[in-house]
Amino acid sequence: DAGITQSPRHKVTETGTPVTLRCHQTENHRYMYWYRQDPGHGLRLIHYSYGVKDTDKGEVSDGYSVSRSKTEDFLLTLESATSSQTSVYFCAISRDKGYQPQHFGDGTRLSIL
Amino acid sequence: GIQVEQSPPDLILQEGANSTLRCNFSDSVNNLQWFHQNPWGQLINLFYIPSGTKQNGRLSATTVATERYSLLYISSSQTTDSGVYFCAAEGRETSGSRLTFGEGTQLTVNP
Repeated sequence: DAGITQSPRHKVTETGTPVTLRCHQTENHRYMYWYRQDPGHGLRLIHYSYGVKDTDKGEVSDGYSVSRSKTEDFLLTLESATSSQTSVYFCAISRDKGYQPQHFGDGTRLSIL
Repeated sequence: GIQVEQSPPDLILQEGANSTLRCNFSDSVNNLQWFHQNPWGQLINLFYIPSGTKQNGRLSATTVATERYSLLYISSSQTTDSGVYFCAAEGRETSGSRLTFGEGTQLTVNP
């Protein structure tokens, strides 16, 4: 199994509060991704990173920011959480190019009340 | 962007049966992957298969890129095969990092 750890695994918070989710990998993979999974929408890409300090937007990036200061860590921040951001968030990694298999962490269940 | 459609949306099998899941995509692809999400929510990469055929145990996959579809075959199904199977693709015009997922096929294998 790919060494991917997401934290926290579960979080409940209130509308308007900032939230940061962490993805940590031990595989030294170059690419890291954040997805959200919602009923009826499958998985949708939020942001991805192709190296330290190199990030790009995905399909549903509004309301989210990311940072990658080290190869092993990719942070997803909701600056001011809204109820529409209640979802399950998955981190994924791939080795050295986009055309490589993606491997997923176990997900973070985020509820915003 | 690319559209990814999976069929059937739901499938119920008896243990031991075979099945075929289909993924249609709207554009030429340079990246196509199949995933299994188990009942505990974990996502497992099954195949990276932008073209051709691959096999892994009881599972195999074929992508016919020129006709814009991919098939996932499950033989001699087991209860542990239950879960949701996702196809994800990326069109040729993008960088290789933007997978678009289909909505999945929910597979239930009964003992």
